[in-house]
Amino acid sequence: DTGVSQDPRHKITKRGQNVTFRCDPISEHNRLYWYRQTLGQGPEFLTYFQNEAQLEKSRLLSDRFSAERPKGSFSTLEIQRTEQGDSAMYLCASSLARQGITDTQYFGPGTRLTVL
Amino acid sequence: GQQVMQIPQYQHVQEGEDFTTYCNSSTTLSNIQWYKQRPGGHPVFLIQLVKSGEVKKQKRLTFQFGEAKKNSSLHITATQTTDVGTYFCAEPRGSTLGRLYFGRGTQLTVWP
Repeated sequence: DTGVSQDPRHKITKRGQNVTFRCDPISEHNRLYWYRQTLGQGPEFLTYFQNEAQLEKSRLLSDRFSAERPKGSFSTLEIQRTEQGDSAMYLCASSLARQGITDTQYFGPGTRLTVL
Repeated sequence: GQQVMQIPQYQHVQEGEDFTTYCNSSTTLSNIQWYKQRPGGHPVFLIQLVKSGEVKKQKRLTFQFGEAKKNSSLHITATQTTDVGTYFCAEPRGSTLGRLYFGRGTQLTVWP
């Protein structure tokens, strides 16, 4: 399977703990995105990378959230001092950016975070 | 926050009936994308509309982009149980159109 993969698929943690999620994009894709989705809502943009550069970050993203894509391949999303409001599905997507064309994003299966 | 308004939020139909979901924006869209998310699954890209008044078909699915590029619709003819899921429209934003702003989606239930 050469699609986007995410690990872990489920994470249960206690409030105040740190968590880290990993995303492996489709191999030839240069863009990688993180979204958050809660029940009954569409995915909400968090941040995205082109190669290793973080190009945009949502203003909704608090300082407790940080994302990296050190070698332009896989990415990690860390949440520090988790709060119950962080409980959501965290989706990763990747795409091949081509100039002048809005790229198609391919989503991974997501990591479901539950903060107790 | 989300920029595109999508209606209805829920739709229940009998198998064989038609289904339509609408997406509206207060601003002119550069283009619009549609995604489908099955229950328990992740969003899957369906189509992108770019031109004013554009109409695209995929088998029983018909996608339209309004003349003013402020609204779009997805119509499914003769629904099947495999059509069950949530349909989202998404607006690309940002200097590189990298950010997608999703509507709330329309959750479709199809009764056999």
